[in-house]
Amino acid sequence: GAGVSQSPSNKVTEKGKDVELRCDPISGHTALYWYRQRLGQGLEFLIYFQGNSAPDKSGLPSDRFSAERTGESVSTLTIQRTQQEDSAVYLCASSLTGTTSSEQYFGPGTRLTVT
Amino acid sequence: KQEVTQIPAALSVPEGENLVLNCSFTDSAIYNLQWFRQDPGKGLTSLLLIQSSQREQTSGRLNASLDKSSGRSTLYIAASQPGDSATYLCAVGNSGNTPLVFGKGTRLSVIA
Repeated sequence: GAGVSQSPSNKVTEKGKDVELRCDPISGHTALYWYRQRLGQGLEFLIYFQGNSAPDKSGLPSDRFSAERTGESVSTLTIQRTQQEDSAVYLCASSLTGTTSSEQYFGPGTRLTVT
Repeated sequence: KQEVTQIPAALSVPEGENLVLNCSFTDSAIYNLQWFRQDPGKGLTSLLLIQSSQREQTSGRLNASLDKSSGRSTLYIAASQPGDSATYLCAVGNSGNTPLVFGKGTRLSVIA
């Protein structure tokens, strides 16, 4: 079946603008994760959704970052008033049950460049 | 706080060699460990998932081992090929519903 998809694949924006990144998880996967990968760095956790539970937002770096998920489907990550340090690849992953015994499947990522 | 370290950061080997990539983690109370492959400009491809109760997993030319008590995992690649060139990432899942904690990866180059 289809894997995790993300759009856009690339986004260039000016400093101070807002951006929205989209993730479509694998159908039936109840858990959805957003990570960020800055150049030369490891992946950083941003936010995690599990079913209808309140999301775990503990990884969001500032209040300019927010995310929503509609049921157990698409999620959008919004960055307001973008800064140059927000430039990174934003990766989305989904897993079947949300427990850590479940394998996480990653999308191709959105490369965000803030000029 | 869980920290994951991967050594070496980069590795270059001639085609056909067997090689080992290392991963260590500071908190041994993990639930599972996952090895990924990342090609330049691409997302992550899951290679192997080892549950905390397992010692190793194998897939084709890949073998991953886990020693929880010492906080270590290794990824063994047999008979390396140029197509194996990529960055290999190790990630651990701690107990409970928590996201993965990643190492910074090992960048592997297999020279024909």
